[in-house]
Amino acid sequence: GQSLEQPSEVTAVEGAIVQINCTYQTSGFYGLSWYQQHDGGAPTFLSYNALDGLEETGRFSSFLSRSDSYGYLLLQELQMKDSASYFCAVRPPGTYKYIFGTGTRLKVLA
Amino acid sequence: DGGITQSPKYLFRKEGQNVTLSCEQNLNHDAMYWYRQDPGQGLRLIYYSQIVNDFQKGDIAEGYSVSREKKESFPLTVTSAQKNPTAFYLCASLKQAGRAGTDTQYFGPGTRLTVL
Repeated sequence: GQSLEQPSEVTAVEGAIVQINCTYQTSGFYGLSWYQQHDGGAPTFLSYNALDGLEETGRFSSFLSRSDSYGYLLLQELQMKDSASYFCAVRPPGTYKYIFGTGTRLKVLA
Repeated sequence: DGGITQSPKYLFRKEGQNVTLSCEQNLNHDAMYWYRQDPGQGLRLIYYSQIVNDFQKGDIAEGYSVSREKKESFPLTVTSAQKNPTAFYLCASLKQAGRAGTDTQYFGPGTRLTVL
């Protein structure tokens, strides 16, 4: 089957750097996406890796290695507002079905 | 402003009743999705639609039904056959990427359904 595994919870302090991993078992996909969801809210798009390597968007960066079946989201200069759940997601080729990861709850401490 | 709207925000239902959740988008996206989210859990795909008049079952379609008569609209009906329907329901549409572009899902604000 197809699955994306993430750590269930990560805790870090304000100003720190944190990495959220996403390991997957899927035969292929267009690209790896990352979404942020605050409690009670809807997920919002953060980043997308169509190709292997690092994509940077402000404080957030995302990395993909298809050969290692692995990706990660890197959050720098953590702020309290970054406390949220983070999901990786993929869409296999030839389908419109989306597969979301198990999700990681990030807690940022003062 | 372009976006996705869901209504109502909160919905209460008695056991044994069917209920329909609304989802409308004006982003001109072809593909639309329905997800269910339970407290502290991830997103589970209920149904998705690639194009008008076509839809596919997701991972947890039992007890749910959808229609896609218009590009803008993708309503979800939670039927009495759904044994545990209390959850947060999210609708989304897909902005498709080109070969090296960005595949992005846009989500509505969600409907929180409670069965009494």
